[in-house]
Amino acid sequence: GENVEQHPSTLSVQEGDSAVIKCTYSDSASNYFPWYKQELGKGPQLIIDIRSNVGEKKDQRIAVTLNKTAKHFSLHITETQPEDSAVYFCAASKRSQGNLIFGKGTKLSVKP
Amino acid sequence: GAGVSQSPSNKVTEKGKDVELRCDPISGHTALYWYRQSLGQGLEFLIYFQGNSAPDKSGLPSDRFSAERTGGSVSTLTIQRTQQEDSAVYLCASSLTGSSNQPQHFGDGTRLSIL
Repeated sequence: GENVEQHPSTLSVQEGDSAVIKCTYSDSASNYFPWYKQELGKGPQLIIDIRSNVGEKKDQRIAVTLNKTAKHFSLHITETQPEDSAVYFCAASKRSQGNLIFGKGTKLSVKP
Repeated sequence: GAGVSQSPSNKVTEKGKDVELRCDPISGHTALYWYRQSLGQGLEFLIYFQGNSAPDKSGLPSDRFSAERTGGSVSTLTIQRTQQEDSAVYLCASSLTGSSNQPQHFGDGTRLSIL
């Protein structure tokens, strides 16, 4: 079955710097890759997603890139702010199944 | 409300007791998912409902776990004879359809503690 690996597990940056989180997946049939932000005591919140027919997608300070050949995708956050501090999860799913397979998460700390 | 609603938000119970967790999906969403999140871990898929189709139960960890979805809306996850390893946050999500590239929207979960 699908396996999603996520790195790093923790990431600390200074306010204003960029943050990059990387994920790899194993099943070449996967075609949908969302990213979630989870704050303490809350459920995961979808922040951006990308489908396999697209290589890059941007939404203000957040961007995601997808390399289907290498089977990896990355989240880029520019001009980080303290309120970006949270745990970020990547996930993957494929056409034949509805559920998401998640990475183990990255705890991002943005220091003012 | 506009989002996915789960109740209770917290549940503490003794080992061996049965528990029921409830999920109210976003109105109009035909697909509903249950996931489990253990402390400091990622999310583990449990079960998936899509419309009137038979649910995908492939993620349920044992036969003590079951779920229903009545009337295509509200879902209940039941854990019988709870064990300490069942302690986790149980998260529910819904999406407009069951298509793999439809965004899933999560509730805030039920934090289950087994004493």
